[in-house]
Amino acid sequence: AQSVTQLGSHVSVSEGALVLLRCNYSSSVPPYLFWYVQYPNQGLQLLLKYTTGATLVKGINGFEAEFKKSETSFHLTKPSAHMSDAAEYFCAVSDQAGTALIFGKGTTLSVSS
Amino acid sequence: KAGVTQTPRYLIKTRGQQVTLSCSPISGHRSVSWYQQTPGQGLQFLFEYFSETQRNKGNFPGRFSGRQFSNSRSEMNVSTLELGDSALYLCASSLGYRETEAFFGQGTRLTVV
Repeated sequence: AQSVTQLGSHVSVSEGALVLLRCNYSSSVPPYLFWYVQYPNQGLQLLLKYTTGATLVKGINGFEAEFKKSETSFHLTKPSAHMSDAAEYFCAVSDQAGTALIFGKGTTLSVSS
Repeated sequence: KAGVTQTPRYLIKTRGQQVTLSCSPISGHRSVSWYQQTPGQGLQFLFEYFSETQRNKGNFPGRFSGRQFSNSRSEMNVSTLELGDSALYLCASSLGYRETEAFFGQGTRLTVV
C-alpha cells in the first residue's frame, strides 16, 4: 500500500528565506509524485509532478522538488519565499495503475515580512 | 478554457437527508475523480469514473455513490447524511484514464447539521 508522510504540519519562514517542505513516501511500485497547493476556500493547484526521467523537477512559481529513491523522499523547495506563497501544500503519490492520489496530511506555510 | 466546475459551492443539509453534488470537467477531459477533505482525515479518494464506468473506488461506505454521464459530467450522491460527512468535496478531471495529471475544481463545502 502506498502512503505519504509530510514532516511538519506548519512551517514558518521569513520573506526571502528558503522554503523547504518535506515529503516521504512509501510505495511498492515506482511512484508518481506530486505537489499541490491549496489557498483558502479553493481547490488544489498542481505545482509539479515526477513521473519518470529527470529526478529534479521544476514547477510553477519558482518551486522545485527532487525525487530521491534511496531516501524515498520528494521534498519541495523554493529559494526565496514570497508573501503570496502562504498556503497549504500537499504531497501526493499514485501508482502507475491509475490516477487515485494518496495525499499527505498537508503542511501550512506561513510567510512573515 | 474553463476549468473544472463544481456546483453548488456551499450546501447545508440536515442529518439523515441525502445530497447530490455535481462536477463538470474541463472540456475534452473524460476522467473524473472525487475526493473528500476533512480536517481530521485530510484528503481521501472516493472514486474515479471514466467512460461512464467506475474504475476505482476508495474505502468509503455504500452511502457514497457516483455516476458519470455521456458528456463526462459527474455527480456524487451521499445518502443518509451523518455529521461526519461535513467536508469539502473536490472533483478532479483528467484527459483520460490513467493520466498522471488531475485538475481540481474549487470544491463543494457540505455542512451537515
